[in-house]
Amino acid sequence: NAGVTQTPKFQVLKTGQSMTLQCAQDMNHNSMYWYRQDPGMGLRLIYYSASEGTTDKGEVPNGYNVSRLNKREFSLRLESAAPSQTSVYFCASSYKSSGANVLTFGAGSRLTVL
Amino acid sequence: SQQGEEDPQALSIQEGENATMNCSYKTSINNLQWYRQNSGRGLVHLILIRSNEREKHSGRLRVTLDTSKKSSSLLITASRAADTASYFCATDGGGGFKTIFGAGTRLFVKA
Repeated sequence: NAGVTQTPKFQVLKTGQSMTLQCAQDMNHNSMYWYRQDPGMGLRLIYYSASEGTTDKGEVPNGYNVSRLNKREFSLRLESAAPSQTSVYFCASSYKSSGANVLTFGAGSRLTVL
Repeated sequence: SQQGEEDPQALSIQEGENATMNCSYKTSINNLQWYRQNSGRGLVHLILIRSNEREKHSGRLRVTLDTSKKSSSLLITASRAADTASYFCATDGGGGFKTIFGAGTRLFVKA
């Protein structure tokens, strides 16, 4: 039972390079999310996908794009990486419980932009 | 901006003691959740409390919610070294899919 799987776990980029973070879940959840976590801060929502075929901006979407490829997969793309995007990125999926979206997280992808 | 603010930022206690963490939030909510994050790992859901509930228990965890004060607390009783982690509250901001996390409380339990 893999849950939420993110790849890669670590990546170093130079400013201006592009890359895609991949995320897949095997729990048949409808909704998926991308968060970033910076030191001393909580998680900030970048984008989310409420259901297959839809995506919406979160708190900090600038510099990112997403694709909900199918129900299982939700990717995050950095078109032109900047040092400010150095962070740990978490993918999550959610199920409904008592009206709340309960999130299951991946292990994280640590990205460094030089 | 973040919806939830945890207090204290860091807490160090001895094994066997109780640990209390507080969370304050800004806007109306339908529910509030607490998550744990071990070092280098993703967050794990601990407990959910709805806005019409005042207290909820799960094992050694007790969560309270005071919607009039826009605050919640998480109590971990009889702490263990394995409880060492960061704890985050998360709110739904009144609905939708934008689950908003606070900055977290770092708990260190000394054996």
